[in-house]
Amino acid sequence: AQKITQTQPGMFVQEKEAVTLDCTYDTSDPSYGLFWYKQPSSGEMIFLIYQGSYDQQNATEGRYSLNFQKARKSANLVISASQLGDSAMYFCAMREIYTGANSKLTFGKGITLSVRP
Amino acid sequence: DGGITQSPKYLFRKEGQNVTLSCEQNLNHDAMYWYRQDPGQGLRLIYYSQIVNDFQKGDIAEGYSVSREKKESFPLTVTSAQKNPTAFYLCASSIQASGTYEQYFGPGTRLTVT
Repeated sequence: AQKITQTQPGMFVQEKEAVTLDCTYDTSDPSYGLFWYKQPSSGEMIFLIYQGSYDQQNATEGRYSLNFQKARKSANLVISASQLGDSAMYFCAMREIYTGANSKLTFGKGITLSVRP
Repeated sequence: DGGITQSPKYLFRKEGQNVTLSCEQNLNHDAMYWYRQDPGQGLRLIYYSQIVNDFQKGDIAEGYSVSREKKESFPLTVTSAQKNPTAFYLCASSIQASGTYEQYFGPGTRLTVT
C-alpha cells in the first residue's frame, strides 16, 4: 500500500491567490513526521515545512501552512498569496519513527503547481 | 555559505562503465543519503549513512555502492550491474538520522547512460 498519496493532477492557481495541495498518508506508527518539499525545474529539493504527529498546532512557515488532520491522515499544504516563483513540483514525505526502517523519508509522487500571472 | 554540493550536474556514460557521483556537505551533519528520482516519480532511497565509516542499504541499493570515509563526503558509485542507471540522483544530509530532522538536498546530478 502507498504510504504517501498525492493524487491531484497538475494544479493551476492565479497569482496572489491561495492554493491547497493535498497529501494523505498511511502509517500505524504513533510517532511520525510529515514534510513538504518544493522542487523547481532546476531539480533541487527545497524543504518547506514540517509537522510532527504530536504537534498540537498546524505548522506555519511564512506563506506556507500545513492543514494537519490526524484522524483523516491528511497533511495538506496551503500556499497563500501565490507567486510566479511558486511554480514547481511539490512533494509530501513522511518519516516514521518506530516502524520506519533505515531513517528514510517516504515520498509521494508529487504535484505540479503552475502559477498564472 | 553552508550547503551540499554535487558534481557534475550532468554526466554521460557508456553502458558497462562504472561512474562515481560526488556529494560534499559543509553543514557538519552526521547523516547523509542518496536518492534516485525517475521522471514523474518521487524519490527512492538508495543508501544512507548515519556516521563516518558506516552505511546501510536503502530500498534500491542493488547496482550501487557507497563509501563514507569522511564526515563531509558520501560518494555514490553506479556500477555496470545497475540495469537502468539513467536517472536524476540527489544527495541529502541531516543533523542526525534519528528523530524527525529535515533533510537538506544538493542540486542533483542527472546521469545518462547510453
